[in-house]
Amino acid sequence: EAGVTQSPTHLIKTRGQQATLRCSPISGHTSVYWYQQALGLGLQFLLWYDEGEERNRGNFPPRFSGRQFPNYSSELNVNALELEDSALYLCASSFRGSDVQYFGPGTRLTVT
Amino acid sequence: GENVEQHPSTLSVQEGDSAVIKCTYSDSASNYFPWYKQELGKRPQLIIDIRSNVGEKKDQRIAVTLNKTAKHFSLHITETQPEDSAVYFCAASGAGGSYIPTFGRGTSLIVHP
Repeated sequence: EAGVTQSPTHLIKTRGQQATLRCSPISGHTSVYWYQQALGLGLQFLLWYDEGEERNRGNFPPRFSGRQFPNYSSELNVNALELEDSALYLCASSFRGSDVQYFGPGTRLTVT
Repeated sequence: GENVEQHPSTLSVQEGDSAVIKCTYSDSASNYFPWYKQELGKRPQLIIDIRSNVGEKKDQRIAVTLNKTAKHFSLHITETQPEDSAVYFCAASGAGGSYIPTFGRGTSLIVHP
């Protein structure tokens, strides 16, 4: 069974630009979660999507947004990039109604 | 909201020793407590989890204990090996019916051969 996949592996952007990160969940999983892992910090919850709808969002500004597609894959968009957005962005997936999450390998975003 | 504290931030042991990582949580309604292992440059991997109706769970060399009264849970690794070296994260979820886990800040475990 294939695990959660994310693309790209690395992304380098300039301050003020936009970044788009992608995630494909495990087959059969309908929920997708996005987390930010900044250096030295734990995992901070960003967004939760299920059945195409945003179900919850963490304490992040509105320039962090995303969507979930009919095939349950998801996209995270970060607008007006700031230097402090540099981090590892992790995607996780789960079955609907389950609290057990499985993570993807992450996208390393560097903002210069 | 939920708050999870994790200690220690760094743990250095000799191969063969035991390692214990402790976490406390603030919301007594939390009912699911997973542990993740993240090796350098790799994804967090679920290694063991425990639910609030269970006090202890074991899987080979790893075990997790939960004390609901004190609101703390611990990860125990016995007979540590160099490949156990990684960052370990605890988390808590379930309060208010939420599936969103709150993570601890992580413990960097170093096992010296």
